Amino acid sequence: EAGVAQSPRYKIIEKRQSVAFWCNPISGHATLYWYQQILGQGPKLLIQFQNNGVVDDSQLPKDRFSAERLKGVDSTLKIQPAKLEDSAVYLCASSSRGGRQGANTGELFFGEGSRLTVL
Amino acid sequence: SQQGEEDPQALSIQEGENATMNCSYKTSINNLQWYRQNSGRGLVHLILIRSNEREKHSGRLRVTLDTSKKSSSLLITASRAADTASYFCATDAEGNNRLAFGKGNQVVVIP
Repeated sequence: EAGVAQSPRYKIIEKRQSVAFWCNPISGHATLYWYQQILGQGPKLLIQFQNNGVVDDSQLPKDRFSAERLKGVDSTLKIQPAKLEDSAVYLCASSSRGGRQGANTGELFFGEGSRLTVL
Repeated sequence: SQQGEEDPQALSIQEGENATMNCSYKTSINNLQWYRQNSGRGLVHLILIRSNEREKHSGRLRVTLDTSKKSSSLLITASRAADTASYFCATDAEGNNRLAFGKGNQVVVIP
């Protein structure tokens, strides 16, 4: 079974530029997550999709971050304009469970992450 | 917030020894999960323990959950150099679909 695919693995940009990350979850997984992991910290949830609908985006800085999940499969996360503090690893994860109110969150499968450096 | 807090933050042990990490959380949970992250890689799920369970085993891993103290522990027995990684606990809070991660424990196993 193929795992969660992410690209690019590394990206270096200057502040105020834009960047986009792509994620392809495990086939059949309805729930998709984007996490931000700053060096030395645990992952912080940015946005959670159930199929192509947003379940939770309360921690997404919406003035500069946006995300979409087309047709309930692939997802893109965009940052525009980037700030220095956006330097982090952006992790995509998927799950066959969770995302609906009352549905417990099961095991998450993570991609390798996209490391962003903002200069 | 519903984040787990691991203790200790960094642990260095000799190969063959046991490693124990603790995690505390603040509100009621559906389940608690432990993940491992090797340097520069994504997180890998290790074990999930439900709120009505007290102990769970998987290979060399043993997880305990004390919901009265809102804490969990992860024990790695007979550690190997390959166990060198960061370990995170994550909580699935009741009434909240978000899986919240703690700050992580860095474990170094010296061959």
